[in-house]
Amino acid sequence: DAKTTQPPSMDCAEGRAANLPCNHSTISGNEYVYWYRQIHSQGPQYIIHGLKNNETNEMASLIITEDRKSSTLILPHATLRDTAVYYCIVYSGAGSYQLTFGKGTKLSVIP
Amino acid sequence: KAGVTQTPRYLIKTRGQQVTLSCSPISGHRSVSWYQQTPGQGLQFLFEYFSETQRNKGNFPGRFSGRQFSNSRSEMNVSTLELGDSALYLCASSRARDSHSYEQYFGPGTRLTVT
Repeated sequence: DAKTTQPPSMDCAEGRAANLPCNHSTISGNEYVYWYRQIHSQGPQYIIHGLKNNETNEMASLIITEDRKSSTLILPHATLRDTAVYYCIVYSGAGSYQLTFGKGTKLSVIP
Repeated sequence: KAGVTQTPRYLIKTRGQQVTLSCSPISGHRSVSWYQQTPGQGLQFLFEYFSETQRNKGNFPGRFSGRQFSNSRSEMNVSTLELGDSALYLCASSRARDSHSYEQYFGPGTRLTVT
């Protein structure tokens, strides 16, 4: 699976949109982009995933660039409970049912 | 719908002992994966089971083993514990309907401390 690069940390004001970038320049055509987050000392939580179209669910939106080399996770109205480490993962699923977690981005939502 | 449950939540063991951790997946989920999380190495994949068969294994020594039962519940075992095995052990389940829909749902983890 392709490698991802994320900034180690970001701050966001409460109530504002949080935009978390992820670079995956070596992504191949059959690989999906998955986002998870982990609130301190809890198990990671699935957020959203996509292949090439933008995706939205009740938690977030995922914007994937046309060349698929990068993506942005958007939390439209960040709250203090969104403070967590966010992981961007590229996954092909081709016979390899495992997720490879990097170091992620530590998002701090500031009151 | 109940989430993934893991027991016990906390465990203290001594070097050289062995330990068994248990995971009950979400009802209807047939895939169970195990991960180890430490401050130094982050989240690392241990192994994944589907229909009682190990489908994939991470880069861990043979002291780490697991199994899955017919009801999809899973256990992992660590023998001859070392201090470095102190970690949060996470279990995740997935419907694994197909290779392109592989959202994993994690349990709260078992915090293992080896003294």
